[in-house]
Amino acid sequence: AQTVTQSQPEMSVQEAETVTLSCTYDTSESDYYLFWYKQPPSRQMILVIRQEAYKQQNATENRFSVNFQKAAKSFSLKISDSQLGDAAMYFCAYRRGIYNQGGKLIFGQGTELSVKP
Amino acid sequence: GAVVSQHPSRVICKSGTSVKIECRSLDFQATTMFWYRQFPKQSLMLMATSNEGSKATYEQGVEKDKFLINHASLTLSTLTVTSAHPEDSSFYICSARADTSGFYNEQFFGPGTRLTVL
Repeated sequence: AQTVTQSQPEMSVQEAETVTLSCTYDTSESDYYLFWYKQPPSRQMILVIRQEAYKQQNATENRFSVNFQKAAKSFSLKISDSQLGDAAMYFCAYRRGIYNQGGKLIFGQGTELSVKP
Repeated sequence: GAVVSQHPSRVICKSGTSVKIECRSLDFQATTMFWYRQFPKQSLMLMATSNEGSKATYEQGVEKDKFLINHASLTLSTLTVTSAHPEDSSFYICSARADTSGFYNEQFFGPGTRLTVL
């Protein structure tokens, strides 16, 4: 069975600084996707970034980037120039290829990020 | 972007009553929807996968007769918590997987429903 592990329950960063959130996963599949979701206090889940396993290039979305180490099964999220609005719970998630199991997401435990002004 | 709504956003009910939560994809079709449960400061736990026109697939440990799921159309799935008890109090979140390939078959999440059972 696939598992996703986030070993940092809480992280803190100074505004305008950079922070990295860690995520490891376990799978025997070759076709899968990895995601980072943000859940602010409103509890609305927001997709931050997506990485296809077959792509070697790390995904980037503005201030958010990932370090995808496929062999190590590691998928960390880097937030640059942190802003107060980045404060939220962040979840790492795994999804098998779309033709397997309907594409259900498996979430990590979450990392609560606080941003200090 | 694709929008998913949930209704109601919060509900308080007495123990023993049933509560229905609706999940709608507003601007896209979704053959597949998912229902999650989330306790405070915890992760999302998948309860079941809802497929339009067929029976839902429940995760291990989730009582089918307790959590009834109906996916009657390509834009609506409902979760009914039957004979609710205080331990069913939680935050319930749905997501809808877009059928359109341009969305990478991505899941879009509803805003959640907070259920409190007295």
